[in-house]
Amino acid sequence: DVKVTQSSRYLVKRTGEKVFLECVQDMDHENMFWYRQDPGLGLRLIYFSYDVKMKEKGDIPEGYSVSREKKERFSLILESASTNQTSMYLCASSPQGPETQYFGPGTRLLVL
Amino acid sequence: QQQVKQSPQSLIVQKGGISIINCAYENTAFDYFPWYQQFPGKGPALLIAIRPDVSEKKEGRFTISFNKSAKQFSLHIMDSQPGDSATYFCAASTQTSGSRLTFGEGTQLTVNP
Repeated sequence: DVKVTQSSRYLVKRTGEKVFLECVQDMDHENMFWYRQDPGLGLRLIYFSYDVKMKEKGDIPEGYSVSREKKERFSLILESASTNQTSMYLCASSPQGPETQYFGPGTRLLVL
Repeated sequence: QQQVKQSPQSLIVQKGGISIINCAYENTAFDYFPWYQQFPGKGPALLIAIRPDVSEKKEGRFTISFNKSAKQFSLHIMDSQPGDSATYFCAASTQTSGSRLTFGEGTQLTVNP
């Protein structure tokens, strides 16, 4: 059974803190994605990765960075958290090509 | 060019009714159109997908209708059930974008018993 896990379901951080969100997939997928989900705005792509150590900017990369040191793990980093980064963060993975994306359960981040 | 516009934002349907969610796109290079279903507290999961070589695809009570000339596609849920209450997202991708999807804004469906 496919599995994408995210390190935390809920996080509360202070403005200015550095925040790490971790995502792990056990399907040997090449592609991994980070989205944020906000009501009325759908899923917006932050960053994605086609391979280890490869990363591409999505639609809203500002204020975020990513790291993919191993194929199964994709980390999202908020260098200095701000209140407008309060959101639901979703990680996904997929094989190469226009294939199904498999999502994790999400991390709800609150920045105070 | 890359946007996918989805409507309505929310939808309330009685049990047994038909739920219809619509999406429109501009980029004629889009050639893969999936729908994802998300229950509260869960990540989205693929529900059904279509490619533009067919005008309709049906899986159980769920049907995608695709109108290439109008650049529109829609999800129809027949005999809607309370268990269908969820948020639905349409999406699209191109051959060159690989697995990268452009998502619509989402529709929150509530099916009343």
